[in-house]
Amino acid sequence: QQQVKQSPQSLIVQKGGISIINCAYENTAFDYFPWYQQFPGKGPALLIAIRPDVSEKKEGRFTISFNKSAKQFSLHIMDSQPGDSATYFCAASIRGSARQLTFGSGTQLTVLP
Amino acid sequence: ETGVTQTPRHLVMGMTNKKSLKCEQHLGHNAMYWYKQSAKKPLELMFVYSLEERVENNSVPSRFSPECPNSSHLFLHLHTLQPEDSALYLCASSPGQGRSPLHFGNGTRLTVT
Repeated sequence: QQQVKQSPQSLIVQKGGISIINCAYENTAFDYFPWYQQFPGKGPALLIAIRPDVSEKKEGRFTISFNKSAKQFSLHIMDSQPGDSATYFCAASIRGSARQLTFGSGTQLTVLP
Repeated sequence: ETGVTQTPRHLVMGMTNKKSLKCEQHLGHNAMYWYKQSAKKPLELMFVYSLEERVENNSVPSRFSPECPNSSHLFLHLHTLQPEDSALYLCASSPGQGRSPLHFGNGTRLTVT
C-alpha cells in the first residue's frame, strides 16, 4: 500500500532528447509528489513537486505530469543535457509530510553528448 | 557554512568496531532524519527526530543507535555491524515538524568488512 513503483531503472537519452521517468502508487491518501535529483557523491535534492489538484507542473525544462485516476505521475525532461545525467527519485507522502515520504527505487539517467 | 553537513564522507569498519556518524544542519530546521541508501533500492527511513522526539522505524536493528542532542546535530552510533549494512547513510533535515521538503547531506559511504 505504501509502495511507489518507479521505472525504468536506467535510461539513456541523446542530448536534446526527451527523458521520461514514470512512477505509480497505490495509496490514494498520498497528496504530495516530489521528485529528487541526485548527482554522484551528493545527496538527493528536491527538483520539483506537485499536488493532485493539478495535472501538470512545469519548471524550466522539467515537467511533472499527474494522472490521479491512474495513480501515476511522471517526470519529463525536455531538451535533455549531459548535465542532467543523475539519478532521479520519485516520492509520495500524505499531507506533505517529510516523515511519511515513500521513495521510488530510482532511475539512473545518462544523457549522451 | 550552510546546508546539511555529514562527517566522515567515507568509513571502513570491521564487524567488531564501534563508530559514529555525525550530521549538522545550518538551516534552522526542527526535524532531522537518517536514511539508508542501497543500490537500486528505495531510500529507507531509519530514524526521525522532531523537536528532540525520536520516531523509529521498527525494522532498524539495534546495532544502529541514534542520538539527537539538539535540533542542529544528529549522530548515528554504530556497533557490531554486518557486511549487509554497507551502504550510503544520508542525513536530512526539514522545516517544521516533519514537513517537506527534505534537505539532504552528501552522505557517509560505509563499508563493513
